[in-house]
Parts: sequence; C-alpha cells; structure tokens
Amino acid sequence: ETGVTQSPTHLIKTRGQQVTLRCSSQSGHNTVSWYQQALGQGPQFIFQYYREEENGRGNFPPRFSGLQFPNYSSELNVNALELDDSALYLCASSLPGLQETQYFGPGTRLLVL
Amino acid sequence: GENVEQHPSTLSVQEGDSAVIKCTYSDSASNYFPWYKQELGKGPQLIIDIRSNVGEKKDQRIAVTLNKTAKHFSLHITETQPEDSAVYFCAASITSGTYKYIFGTGTRLKVLA
Repeated sequence: ETGVTQSPTHLIKTRGQQVTLRCSSQSGHNTVSWYQQALGQGPQFIFQYYREEENGRGNFPPRFSGLQFPNYSSELNVNALELDDSALYLCASSLPGLQETQYFGPGTRLLVL
Repeated sequence: GENVEQHPSTLSVQEGDSAVIKCTYSDSASNYFPWYKQELGKGPQLIIDIRSNVGEKKDQRIAVTLNKTAKHFSLHITETQPEDSAVYFCAASITSGTYKYIFGTGTRLKVLA
C-alpha cells in the first residue's frame, strides 16, 4: 500500500452531470498528479499540482479541472460528463525533491451512462 | 508527439521461466523510466525504476536495462511465480518542469503453474 487514498471507489453518473473525485496524498508528498486510465489502456496524464498551483496539463479539455489544498490533498472535477469519460481515475503523489517518482492510489472507477 | 511503445501486449510463461517486456520511447529528453505492476482492481504499484545515467538496475528477481542510444528499455523478471501475474506498464518521464509520465499500453503477464 502506498498511503495514497482516493474516494469514492466507484460511482455512476449520467451524461451531462458533474463529478468531483478526491485524493489524499501520502504524508509529506506535495506534488499530486491525476491520470485517466481507459479500459485496457495505459494511464493518460491529465494534470499535476505542486504547492496548490497547476504544474502542467495533458491533452484534456477545460471541463477537466482540479484543486490542491494546503494539506496537499487534491480534487479532480469533470463537468458536462461524456460517455467517453468512463474510466479509472488515478492520482499519484510525490515527495519534494523526488517528484519523478510517483506513488499511485487505488483509483476511482467512473461509469457515465 | 511523445509516445511509448510496449511489447508484447500479452505474455504467458511457465512458472520458473523468465519474462521480458520491451519498451521504446520517442522523446530523447526522457531521463527517468519507471515500471509499474497493476493487479486487477488496484492502482499501479512501482516495482523498479532507472535513470538515464545508469544502464542496468537489479532488485532481486527484477531487472531493468536501458539503451539510451536506441531509446529502448526492458523489464526482466527471472524465476517467475504465479503471483507475478498482472499487467505491467512502462513509462518515460523528464525530471524537470512537469513530471508527467508517458505510459506504454501495458503487457498482461500470465505465469502458468
């Protein structure tokens, strides 16, 4: 176990709705990255937060947004859900000075109907 | 754009045999290469990593080799056991700016008892 926790574990939404996913990073880790993993695929980078600021973004539309809080926990928000947003959403945290090594949580499985 | 190719997509070996998974990356600036093991219903677990200033790294039954000139890196698992059965992902990253991973598409390893 990495110490990275995510909630909820599963959820079901309908197209057009909004969803918020949560991540608690491992103690002392100040960098959080979010990835989307479609079934049978490798994770795709969504964005990264460092000290509460966005520190890079992948090829995802603006309806994917995030936050990082002073305790380094993080949220991923997705507006106007589409069927293709159905996936496993993973967050990963990293230590200061060792940001390249990322430790993943168990993920949140999102199903959009 | 940035890309990581991973082969094979599936691999079956007899218990006790060796398994080799190969990856090729496109961005010559990549300098950090982690490998993750993902079991069903779980998040990716870091099993070994290598930096570009090293050609080979070993940890018990697991080893990784890196050929920077050819932009290839490989995972070697010796004396495979049934509990090694999982999906394995390689990734490439640049250790500056945004520490995002570009993942391969995964290899499903089955170790037959």
